[in-house]
Amino acid sequence: GQSLEQPSEVTAVEGAIVQINCTYQTSGFYGLSWYQQHDGGAPTFLSYNALDGLEETGRFSSFLSRSDSYGYLLLQELQMKDSASYFCAVRGERNQGGKLIFGQGTELSVKP
Amino acid sequence: DTAVSQTPKYLVTQMGNDKSIKCEQNLGHDTMYWYKQDSKKFLKIMFSYNNKELIINETVPNRFSPKSPDKAHLNLHINSLELGDSAVYFCASSQEPVPFYEQYFGPGTRLTVT
Repeated sequence: GQSLEQPSEVTAVEGAIVQINCTYQTSGFYGLSWYQQHDGGAPTFLSYNALDGLEETGRFSSFLSRSDSYGYLLLQELQMKDSASYFCAVRGERNQGGKLIFGQGTELSVKP
Repeated sequence: DTAVSQTPKYLVTQMGNDKSIKCEQNLGHDTMYWYKQDSKKFLKIMFSYNNKELIINETVPNRFSPKSPDKAHLNLHINSLELGDSAVYFCASSQEPVPFYEQYFGPGTRLTVT
């Protein structure tokens, strides 16, 4: 089966940098995704890593180490609007279509 | 234009009732999903359809029955509602085989069973 672990909550101040870690266990690996969800909103796709290394998209970057079954989401120049829940996700087994298995989410609070 | 839409946004009903949630996507995607998010924000897959064919059916009570009349629509019917069914239900879609990891979620339907 698959499982993911991430911290339940993180607090940081505006302008700071925060890293949200995710460790995963999966029998077959097809990449690590990250989603953002604001309170009362829908999850929205942020990034995807299939290979080791860092992927950068503006203020957000995502890192993957397949040998360590570990990834993280890095948020730079934090803004109040970044306060949200962040989920890492892996794909289910290949014969399970596009099923995503989500971590329990990390609630990020950005303080002034 | 809304990519993935769901109706209704809120649903308050009593135990034992039957209710439906509708979902439509205008992205031309082949695959659609239903996810359930509980009060602790845990997001779990329930069903997945690819071109109207059921491909994922997680361990979900038989009271939940999805229907896909065409690849742009996926509905969820719930019979004999129970208190534990209270949650937010999200519809999502993606293109297969890539990029399966980029799923587009609808706004969610907050179901409250009293």
